[in-house]
Amino acid sequence: AQSVSQHNHHVILSEAASLELGCNYSYGGTVNLFWYVQYPGQHLQLLLKYFSGDPLVKGIKGFEAEFIKSKFSFNLRKPSVQWSDTAEYFCAVKLGEKLTFGTGTRLTIIP
Amino acid sequence: EAQVTQNPRYLITVTGKKLTVTCSQNMNHEYMSWYRQDPGLGLRQIYYSMNVEVTDKGDVPEGYKVSRKEKRNFPLILESPSPNQTSLYFCASSLWDSAYEQYFGPGTRLTVT
Repeated sequence: AQSVSQHNHHVILSEAASLELGCNYSYGGTVNLFWYVQYPGQHLQLLLKYFSGDPLVKGIKGFEAEFIKSKFSFNLRKPSVQWSDTAEYFCAVKLGEKLTFGTGTRLTIIP
Repeated sequence: EAQVTQNPRYLITVTGKKLTVTCSQNMNHEYMSWYRQDPGLGLRQIYYSMNVEVTDKGDVPEGYKVSRKEKRNFPLILESPSPNQTSLYFCASSLWDSAYEQYFGPGTRLTVT
């Protein structure tokens, strides 16, 4: 069965620091990849997605992610985080009609 | 306003008492699904539906039922709830399938004692 791993459970950064959150998946075929974010008290919302083409995808709020097929990875990055980025971040993989999420990474930004 | 609504938002019940959590979307989306969110386990898909009368199991379907009689509604049914179904439940919908952006409801926090 496919699986999605997010090894960072809780990340604490200061404002203006650079961010990279890891995401690895276990399926070897064609995948569609997503990052969703859940701000405190809010619904999950889509940050960005990768289907094909340029492996570097840009999303909302200055986030980007790079798909590295050889490493089965889809890491999320932001060059300079803000306090408002405090949230929980979920990587997800589509296989068939199922959507499999990772366990999530809680990001805390210290002002 | 485009949205996914869930009711109730909070529910405390006892083991074995049947319950239904409703989900409704007003975006004419084809695809709807249910997830549960548990600490350390992330979101896990329970069931999904590609269209009216078309449903299929996700990764954790045991103990749950769903139906899709109308396009806008996708209720989650727990015939005999157990304490291990205590969780935060999210309904989501998207345009055609799971490749499209999922629009999530506000969540239903269920406690089974």
